[in-house]
Amino acid sequence: AQTVTQSQPEMSVQEAETVTLSCTYDTSESDYYLFWYKQPPSRQMILVIRQEAYKQQNATENRFSVNFQKAAKSFSLKISDSQLGDAAMYFCAFGEGNFNKFYFGSGTKLNVKP
Amino acid sequence: SQTIHQWPATLVQPVGSPLSLECTVEGTSNPNLYWYRQAAGRGLQLLFYSVGIGQISSEVPQNLSASRPQDRQFILSSKKLLLSDSGFYLCAWSVHPLEDSYEQYFGPGTRLTVT
Repeated sequence: AQTVTQSQPEMSVQEAETVTLSCTYDTSESDYYLFWYKQPPSRQMILVIRQEAYKQQNATENRFSVNFQKAAKSFSLKISDSQLGDAAMYFCAFGEGNFNKFYFGSGTKLNVKP
Repeated sequence: SQTIHQWPATLVQPVGSPLSLECTVEGTSNPNLYWYRQAAGRGLQLLFYSVGIGQISSEVPQNLSASRPQDRQFILSSKKLLLSDSGFYLCAWSVHPLEDSYEQYFGPGTRLTVT
């Protein structure tokens, strides 16, 4: 079975600074997808960024970027120029090879200080 | 555009009572459908997923069951609720895995409190 580990239960960052959230996963598959989801206090899950395992280039979406290290099975999220609206729970997720199931990490609560 | 609905938004039920949570998706056909449970301050636990009508896979043995009577309808049920069934229930859908927009889209969730 696939596992997703987020070792940072909670992190804090000053507004306008940069923060990196860590995620590691365990799988024997070679073809898969990785995701970062954001869950604000409203509890609506919002996709932040997606990475295809077959792509070596790291995905970026505006202030959000990932550092995908396939051999190390690591998938960290970097948030640049942090904003107050970035405060939320962040979940790392793995979409398995036959793409029928997703596995989520336990989440990292991000606090943004003004 | 696609939308996903869940109801009710909140529910308070006594122990031993039945449960029925409904999820419907609009604007797509033959989606994969998922039920997750999220305990307070925790991650998402996959409960059931479905790749087609009548096709249900269970991830965790439990007091709950799921059904998919129509292509875009997914129902989570229980005959007798337990206190441990309390939590936040999320329904999600995804497109066929070979499509480029592969990701999961989540509904607004149902907060269930069993008393």
